[in-house]
Amino acid sequence: EAQVTQNPRYLITVTGKKLTVTCSQNMNHEYMSWYRQDPGLGLRQIYYSMNVEVTDKGDVPEGYKVSRKEKRNFPLILESPSPNQTSLYFCASSLSEYNEQFFGPGTRLTVL
Amino acid sequence: SQQGEEDPQALSIQEGENATMNCSYKTSINNLQWYRQNSGRGLVHLILIRSNEREKHSGRLRVTLDTSKKSSSLLITASRAADTASYFCATDFQTGANNLFFGTGTRLTVIP
Repeated sequence: EAQVTQNPRYLITVTGKKLTVTCSQNMNHEYMSWYRQDPGLGLRQIYYSMNVEVTDKGDVPEGYKVSRKEKRNFPLILESPSPNQTSLYFCASSLSEYNEQFFGPGTRLTVL
Repeated sequence: SQQGEEDPQALSIQEGENATMNCSYKTSINNLQWYRQNSGRGLVHLILIRSNEREKHSGRLRVTLDTSKKSSSLLITASRAADTASYFCATDFQTGANNLFFGTGTRLTVIP
């Protein structure tokens, strides 16, 4: 089954404790991206990747890192999480930014 | 911000009625996409319309695009209670960048 998976689905952590949210897709897509969704602000793109070892900043990259060492994986790294990063995070993949995006189920992160 | 904006923010209709949502954006685009999101879950792609298209249909969905007004509309005909969800438009702007920008969404409630 074609899908995008994210782990964990729920995470509660404390300020400053490094964390990684994993994202994996099995559709051989080249384009992957991370979004955060906050009430009243819609989805905002954090980072995107057009292929292996090619990543670029989206709309709200501050406080986040990503890597794309393999085509299928695109982890989101918060080196020192802060409470303003409490949000619902979505990973998505597609053939390109011009094509249908396939979304993961979301990761709800709470930073205390 | 380069985000699209949906209008209205919330819409409540009776089952069987038609629902119309609008999306406006600020700069020239390559494509515009509509997505649906059930509460707290990942987004699901509905339809993509290219900048050289004016209208597109998919089942009970009809999307129009007016590039001169920088706006799009999503019409859901003969609505059902199961159509209750949030609907987002997403655009890829002709800026040379590869970002995808989502609007803030329209929350549709269909009353049985």
